[in-house]
Order: sequence, then C-alpha cells, then structure tokens
Amino acid sequence: DAGITQSPRHKVTETGTPVTLRCHQTENHRYMYWYRQDPGHGLRLIHYSYGVKDTDKGEVSDGYSVSRSKTEDFLLTLESATSSQTSVYFCAISAILAYEQFFGPGTRLTVL
Amino acid sequence: SQQGEEDPQALSIQEGENATMNCSYKTSINNLQWYRQNSGRGLVHLILIRSNEREKHSGRLRVTLDTSKKSSSLLITASRAADTASYFCATDGQGAQKLVFGQGTRLTINP
Repeated sequence: DAGITQSPRHKVTETGTPVTLRCHQTENHRYMYWYRQDPGHGLRLIHYSYGVKDTDKGEVSDGYSVSRSKTEDFLLTLESATSSQTSVYFCAISAILAYEQFFGPGTRLTVL
Repeated sequence: SQQGEEDPQALSIQEGENATMNCSYKTSINNLQWYRQNSGRGLVHLILIRSNEREKHSGRLRVTLDTSKKSSSLLITASRAADTASYFCATDGQGAQKLVFGQGTRLTINP
C-alpha cells in the first residue's frame, strides 16, 4: 500500500462521540486526501491537504475537520459522530503535480 | 456530483474471456484514470490516459478515450481469477488534485 498506514483499521463508536482517524505516510508526498466509500455513492472526497497546515474542503466535508501538522500525518476528525458517518474511510497520497494517487488500506467506522 | 459513471455495474465472465468496462463523464478533463479495488482493500492505480491520447496499453489492459463522447473504456484481455475486483474510473474535471470517482464496475471472473 505504498507506505501508507491508517489507524485504527476498525472502530465502533456511539452517536455524539468524537472520533479521530489517522493517516501516516512514509513517501514524503505533498498531497494527502480523505475519502469515504459508501454503497451507491462510490468514493467521495472529504478533505485534502496540499502541504503542512494547508487544507481544503472536498465534496462531503460537513461534519468533518482535518489537520496536518507534519508532512507524514493527516488526521480526520468527526467532532460529533452521527450514524450517517458510518462508512469506510480511505486516505490517499500523491506527489506534487502528479495525478496518480496511492491509497491506504481503509478504516471501517461504525456509528451506533 | 459524480463525474464518472461506469457501465455495467456488474459483469461476470469466464476465465480467459475479455472484459470491457465503460466510463462516461460530464465535463472537460485533462486526464482520466482507472483504479482497481480488491475486496476489503484500498484502490490501486492501473493506468492514466491524457485528454490528447486516444488509446493506451499496459500489459493486458487497454484503455481508450473519446473526448468527443466524453467516454472511456477499459479492456482486460485473457481474464484471470485474480482480476476479480471492482474497477473505478476517476476524472479531474474539478481540478488536478480533486479526482472524482465513479461508482465502479464489479467484475467477477469464474473459473
């Protein structure tokens, strides 16, 4: 998986609790992304980062925040988890001005 | 909104046959990519075709792009059981670093 790890790999939580997912890369790529994958919707971009402390919103950013304090780490936070955020979350990376993205193994999140 | 839409949604063929999947998109693009996803895994990049290219090959993969019809096809020749996976097209119609993925084609290769 191109030097990308995600943690945790599986998480079950309750509605209203905060959740943080971590993406760690060892490739030193500038761009990092968070996607969610749901049946019938394919893969949708939540947020992405184009450098340390530089982030921007994607298609489905409501209810999510991100932070990137180091090149290698990109955190996705659900401030108050809802059942609609039950999904599989994927982190991806890409080099500067390159189009090919490398994906992590995914995190399966269940919000009860 | 979905930029790429794959067709068919599911495809089941015998090992050794060829598999063809199609992708349609809505806005102008600079490039189109195809990814594969095995069950329970992340996506893996297969091939990228630029808007000024009409056809590209990589091993048993052949990708075509018709920008006038806003469509692309992925052909896998001499399929193998290991090709069983979901295949997604992705386009950059919203910016180079914002790929938009279709819903995918689920391909099953029967032995």
